[in-house]
Amino acid sequence: AQSVSQHNHHVILSEAASLELGCNYSYGGTVNLFWYVQYPGQHLQLLLKYFSGDPLVKGIKGFEAEFIKSKFSFNLRKPSVQWSDTAEYFCAVNAMNYGGSQGNLIFGKGTKLSVKP
Amino acid sequence: EAGVAQSPRYKIIEKRQSVAFWCNPISGHATLYWYQQILGQGPKLLIQFQNNGVVDDSQLPKDRFSAERLKGVDSTLKIQPAKLEDSAVYLCASSSVRYTDTQYFGPGTRLTVL
Repeated sequence: AQSVSQHNHHVILSEAASLELGCNYSYGGTVNLFWYVQYPGQHLQLLLKYFSGDPLVKGIKGFEAEFIKSKFSFNLRKPSVQWSDTAEYFCAVNAMNYGGSQGNLIFGKGTKLSVKP
Repeated sequence: EAGVAQSPRYKIIEKRQSVAFWCNPISGHATLYWYQQILGQGPKLLIQFQNNGVVDDSQLPKDRFSAERLKGVDSTLKIQPAKLEDSAVYLCASSSVRYTDTQYFGPGTRLTVL
């Protein structure tokens, strides 16, 4: 069965530090990839997505992610975090034409990011 | 554009009781999803509707969970009877097209089963 792994459960950074959150998935076929963010007290919202084309994807608020097919990875990056980036980040994969899943989203367990002012 | 609406936001019940959640998707979105998010986990799909038909309910515990989407718009998810392990946030999401489009999530209903 396909799965999504997020390596870090909780990341604590100071403002202006660089961020990289890992995401790996297990599926050898075509995938659509997403990063969702949940700010405290708010609902899940899309940060960025990759469907095809340039494997370096830019999202909102200065975030970007790189799809490396050979590594089955879609890591999220930001060069300089702000206190307002404190949130939980979820990686999700939509596997195209996968068995009976009909291409539904499979989420990782999430990574909590705490940014110290 | 209005987002996905859900109610109630919070619900506390005792085990063996029944509960229902309501979702109103973004206008015009044909696809509607119900997810269960247990504390410390990512959302897990329970059921997916395309208009008013079920596309995938393979992970729905059908002995106690049921869902419907009448007229292809609003949807309700019901649990009867509830178990302690059903304590979770139930999320509704919608998208305009399956597979390739972004899913937009509602605020969720936090269910506590005592």
